[in-house]
Amino acid sequence: AQKITQTQPGMFVQEKEAVTLDCTYDTSDPSYGLFWYKQPSSGEMIFLIYQGSYDQQNATEGRYSLNFQKARKSANLVISASQLGDSAMYFCAMREGGGSNYKLTFGKGTLLTVNP
Amino acid sequence: KAGVTQTPRYLIKTRGQQVTLSCSPISGHRSVSWYQQTPGQGLQFLFEYFSETQRNKGNFPGRFSGRQFSNSRSEMNVSTLELGDSALYLCASSLYLDRANTGELFFGEGSRLTVL
Repeated sequence: AQKITQTQPGMFVQEKEAVTLDCTYDTSDPSYGLFWYKQPSSGEMIFLIYQGSYDQQNATEGRYSLNFQKARKSANLVISASQLGDSAMYFCAMREGGGSNYKLTFGKGTLLTVNP
Repeated sequence: KAGVTQTPRYLIKTRGQQVTLSCSPISGHRSVSWYQQTPGQGLQFLFEYFSETQRNKGNFPGRFSGRQFSNSRSEMNVSTLELGDSALYLCASSLYLDRANTGELFFGEGSRLTVL
């Protein structure tokens, strides 16, 4: 079974509107972290937001928020007030366990296109 | 503060050759990870080094190897190149993982390898 599932290969949104990118995960480890990264056409992966499995509140970072539903094992990214520069690939990723585990498992990604 | 630097950015090799990619992490980061990104397989973890020791290794053949130097700079090597090794190779560095740090990965822009 895939550990990270992103079911939307592509999404379109109008500039200034909000958009939700879906991510579900699969782990039996009680301690894990969830990340969202943005990858523009240049190739660099840009960190957006993090949610720990024990965090009580949903993470927010500026226009980015993470809708964390632990029981459903989902960690959807919400981008408010979309901008043209938000057009990029978006990846959900998970780190399982803690300690010295720095390995991230990534989903296949969602290509977001923001239309003017 | 300088980001993660990867060299070379682009390179073309032929089957059977070998290649060495270099990565300089963010100053102070002691963990360096490598990922392979292809359209078909997405982002896959190759290996992770911390203080010159390989701590994690992904499911790749022995043709893929790496090392880390005392200044935390890292290299990865692929020997006997195959067509399927064509990919974007991403290096990422990270601070130690503790309560104050999520262990997020900071990525470079990648080295795009084409094997002919």
